[in-house]
Amino acid sequence: SQQGEEDPQALSIQEGENATMNCSYKTSINNLQWYRQNSGRGLVHLILIRSNEREKHSGRLRVTLDTSKKSSSLLITASRAADTASYFCATDRQAGTALIFGKGTTLSVSS
Amino acid sequence: SQTIHQWPATLVQPVGSPLSLECTVEGTSNPNLYWYRQAAGRGLQLLFYSVGIGQISSEVPQNLSASRPQDRQFILSSKKLLLSDSGFYLCACPSRGGGNEQFFGPGTRLTVL
Repeated sequence: SQQGEEDPQALSIQEGENATMNCSYKTSINNLQWYRQNSGRGLVHLILIRSNEREKHSGRLRVTLDTSKKSSSLLITASRAADTASYFCATDRQAGTALIFGKGTTLSVSS
Repeated sequence: SQTIHQWPATLVQPVGSPLSLECTVEGTSNPNLYWYRQAAGRGLQLLFYSVGIGQISSEVPQNLSASRPQDRQFILSSKKLLLSDSGFYLCACPSRGGGNEQFFGPGTRLTVL
């Protein structure tokens, strides 16, 4: 079953703009992760935020986590055409268990 | 560094034919291994995971099966493919980050006609 639900399903922006994607989940989590998938390729891990963290940064990425609302957001600042991809959130209930993925947000950045 | 090889990269098979997809892992030992399927426009669905040789756990009932004959080899099989088996199959293992991040292979695109 899928736990995470991303929104929007699709997002189109211009280069230089910020892109915000949201993820909601249903049960308690150990941590939440975001992955990126270029068309027809495998997933690449972007960032992990633990359940006791509220915000995390990595380069142009900023992730927030609100465990009371069971939601997370991924912000990509100053987007580039190369950021065009699908983005997925994934959760696990315990360390070492399998991840549960959402359906993803498809981001299109035009130059 | 970790590397996952998946073979073949693409496959077109008729309904009712058998299937064998292979995943091999390098750069890590005794890893947990996972098979996911991604249908068109959908997220990833966990199909099988394995914590060691010969140990397979199935997440969803289906006509697929998995085997782990060697520590770094994970095989996905079917005796008779269905149209609904079409999708993008991804093999994954834990990355070295230590936070349960997963490292994915390049995937196999299966089309059942």
